Amino acid sequence: EDQVTQSPEALRLQEGESSSLNCSYTVSGLRGLFWYRQDPGKGPEFLFTLYSAGEEKEKERLKATLTKKESFLHITAPKPEDSATYLCAAASGGSYIPTFGRGTSLIVHP
Amino acid sequence: NAGVTQTPKFQVLKTGQSMTLQCAQDMNHEYMSWYRQDPGMGLRLIHYSVGAGITDQGEVPNGYNVSRSTTEDFPLRLLSAAPSQTSVYFCASREEAGGAYSTDTQYFGPGTRLTVL
Repeated sequence: EDQVTQSPEALRLQEGESSSLNCSYTVSGLRGLFWYRQDPGKGPEFLFTLYSAGEEKEKERLKATLTKKESFLHITAPKPEDSATYLCAAASGGSYIPTFGRGTSLIVHP
Repeated sequence: NAGVTQTPKFQVLKTGQSMTLQCAQDMNHEYMSWYRQDPGMGLRLIHYSVGAGITDQGEVPNGYNVSRSTTEDFPLRLLSAAPSQTSVYFCASREEAGGAYSTDTQYFGPGTRLTVL
């Protein structure tokens, strides 16, 4: 059974304080590892797809990395507008249907 | 493009009532899916479709029906609402069901918040 575990559940940062969110996954033949951002009362918004270990992708203050067992979402010098819940999902090669983690709630204080 | 749209945004039902949650996309995507999101549970797949006329069950299909008569629309029907179906429901679409040229980018709608009393 595919499993995705995100940590921590909640993270509070001061503006400018860099940190990382973790996503550990167990899937049979990884097809893709996905990161989404979700603001309160809205649907998830796609951020990145990673396909193979060693791959990295960046967008503004966010950088996603992938190993064979986990993915990290690095947030550099965060701003209050980066406050959101970040969701990770992994899809196995057989089904292409992603399994979602429970998310990390990030709050960045000014 | 409007992307993925969902109606209604909010709904309150009484136990035993039936209703249909609407979902439409204007991106000509083959793959569409329905999720429910509950506190502390993450997104759970209810049903999905890989094209018009083709649907299949996800992780939590009981109490829900779907059909896909067109590429654009993928309604979710609650047959007899129960308090356990109180949740936020998201519809999503993706270009292809994992084809060789699929970008795997999944687009979500704004959600329907359903309360069953």
